[in-house]
Amino acid sequence: QSVLTQPPSASGTPGQRVTISCSGSSSNIGINAVTWYQQVPGTAPKLLIYGSKQRPSGVPDRFSGSKSGTSASLAISGLQSEDEAFYFCAAWDNSLKGNWAIGGGTFLTVL
Amino acid sequence: QVHLVQSGAEVKKPGSSVRVSCKSSGDSFQKYGISWVRQGPGQRLTWMGAIIPFFRTTRYAQNFQGRVTFTADESTSTVYMDLASLTSDDTAVYYCARDLLAQTYVTGWSHWGQGTLVAVSS
Repeated sequence: QSVLTQPPSASGTPGQRVTISCSGSSSNIGINAVTWYQQVPGTAPKLLIYGSKQRPSGVPDRFSGSKSGTSASLAISGLQSEDEAFYFCAAWDNSLKGNWAIGGGTFLTVL
Repeated sequence: QVHLVQSGAEVKKPGSSVRVSCKSSGDSFQKYGISWVRQGPGQRLTWMGAIIPFFRTTRYAQNFQGRVTFTADESTSTVYMDLASLTSDDTAVYYCARDLLAQTYVTGWSHWGQGTLVAVSS
């Protein structure tokens, strides 16, 4: 199974801006779009970003995505207490006949 | 409005099989890829594969090939996941998730079921 690399944890104070990184390879992030998901413990994941930087309707513009080469980032500005959750990145991987590569998740703590 | 509703929790013995269902309400059930993603105790998400009911297309992740089967009942807008030869490593929450765009399973998951806990224990 293809995997992407994320830091296990991140933290910030209310109002602050935080970024979460996601590292991949030439067979996934390098050539395909990245998606980001937010998961509050005990609930299903929710799509935050698709196409590396697009937000679905209803997702606040405090959330933004970017991609460069084989890495991607999720930025959250104006941090709020309800942003405390797991964040996962994912990208289609063209190796091994095609497969989703998913990051291990980053737990964001709002101090 | 699209909703995916999954079947309830299961407790299984090692070596047995499990079936999890995922019923869709809303539009165009048949034309969207439905992926199955599981989440083990360590929170890691693992893609198991996908099905596009309209095209009768299935794609299984290499790690589950030969042990998992996806089927669809278009009359009830329900997708099924069958996983055989269960071990304790299969204990996880299993999610069905619909793709963002129609006729594919590579664009990401815009709608998720509530998850189904499958516990494998002797």
